Amino acid sequence: GDSVTQMEGPVTLSEEAFLTINCTYTATGYPSLFWYVQYPGEGLQLLLKATKADDKGSNKGFEATYRKETTSFHLEKGSVQVSDSAVYFCALSYYTGANSKLTFGKGITLSVRP
Amino acid sequence: DGGITQSPKYLFRKEGQNVTLSCEQNLNHDAMYWYRQDPGQGLRLIYYSQIVNDFQKGDIAEGYSVSREKKESFPLTVTSAQKNPTAFYLCASSIGEAAEYNEQFFGPGTRLTVL
Repeated sequence: GDSVTQMEGPVTLSEEAFLTINCTYTATGYPSLFWYVQYPGEGLQLLLKATKADDKGSNKGFEATYRKETTSFHLEKGSVQVSDSAVYFCALSYYTGANSKLTFGKGITLSVRP
Repeated sequence: DGGITQSPKYLFRKEGQNVTLSCEQNLNHDAMYWYRQDPGQGLRLIYYSQIVNDFQKGDIAEGYSVSREKKESFPLTVTSAQKNPTAFYLCASSIGEAAEYNEQFFGPGTRLTVL
């Protein structure tokens, strides 16, 4: 079945450091890929998405590129801020019928210190 | 403002009692979902519903029940048969099959603690 694997955490960085969070997937078809973010005590928010190979999703300084050849969707940010401290989830989904549910990775906690 | 509401934010129940978690959306979405979140395990799908009066079991449906009598409402009942119900529960919705991709919108969650 489909699955999403995220790098082990937690991750602690200093403010303005470069961030990479790895995500790889296993899928039988051609899914859409997502990064969701969860701030403390809240639900999940969509951070960015990519719907086909070589698409780059971007939002709030974060970027991720859909790499079909390496089945990856790594999240990057050039300069993190304290406000980026949250849990980040990689996910995949198809858009039709019974396969339209999201499959999530386990999430990784990012802490950014001043 | 359109969105998803879950109530209450915190819920305490005694062991052996059934409890119902509320989820309402005014986004006019066809599909709705319930997830359970435990530390270190990510999100696991409990139940989902693509249209009114229809729903399917997710990966961990045992001990839970749902109903979908109205498009905007998808309540989840945690029954006494659920062995370890203490968790953070998240409700989500999406446009459904008409969407180009399945972006899901999440509510703020309900933290259930069984004493």
